[in-house]
Amino acid sequence: DAKTTQPTSMDCAEGRAANLPCNHSTISGNEYVYWYRQIHSQGPQYIIHGLKNNETNEMASLIITEDRKSSTLILPHATLRDTAVYYCIVRVADDKIIFGKGTRLHILP
Amino acid sequence: EPEVTQTPSHQVTQMGQEVILRCVPISNHLYFYWYRQILGQKVEFLVSFYNNEISEKSEIFDDQFSVERPDGSNFTLKIRSTKLEDSAMYFCASSVGGANYGYTFGSGTRLTVV
Repeated sequence: DAKTTQPTSMDCAEGRAANLPCNHSTISGNEYVYWYRQIHSQGPQYIIHGLKNNETNEMASLIITEDRKSSTLILPHATLRDTAVYYCIVRVADDKIIFGKGTRLHILP
Repeated sequence: EPEVTQTPSHQVTQMGQEVILRCVPISNHLYFYWYRQILGQKVEFLVSFYNNEISEKSEIFDDQFSVERPDGSNFTLKIRSTKLEDSAMYFCASSVGGANYGYTFGSGTRLTVV
């Protein structure tokens, strides 16, 4: 059963903010939201995670709605190197990561 | 930045042969994983390993597969008798554990069974 729903693909112009949505309407109180990405044929790369509060690190920002049923990953100034498949994953601590199909993000020059 | 190292990067083997894929996780990590990705498909969970034993495995991880941590640094995946459908990228990952840490993945081994 898919715990998250993401658009299949998105485009974003280079230099603009890329906003990737994720729906997780059945999320439980103890489940975290994680984002990973996979650049073509490379190993998945951890980006960010959060529980309730918005989070920011050097790669991205994560905005989680107050009801926690959806979230948005923001890449503030997208570059061509950000072209990848982005995965939104919900899991409890110490549970395995299960990847869905993700969103294929194309950064356009 | 610490990395998960996988060797070899590419392995070609004949059907029916045994292969061992090797991984060196990050040194202070306690949890280890193998995933695979068949070309064009999703990344699939195979097995998780903690405290020198398998903690969870998927339906894919049948009797043909085994994992081992033979010393303090290596983590291996063995496929006993390879099939054509085992051709895939195999990713090793490690984690400190707990909610506040993500997994660090290696760059993968591309296994081609001919």
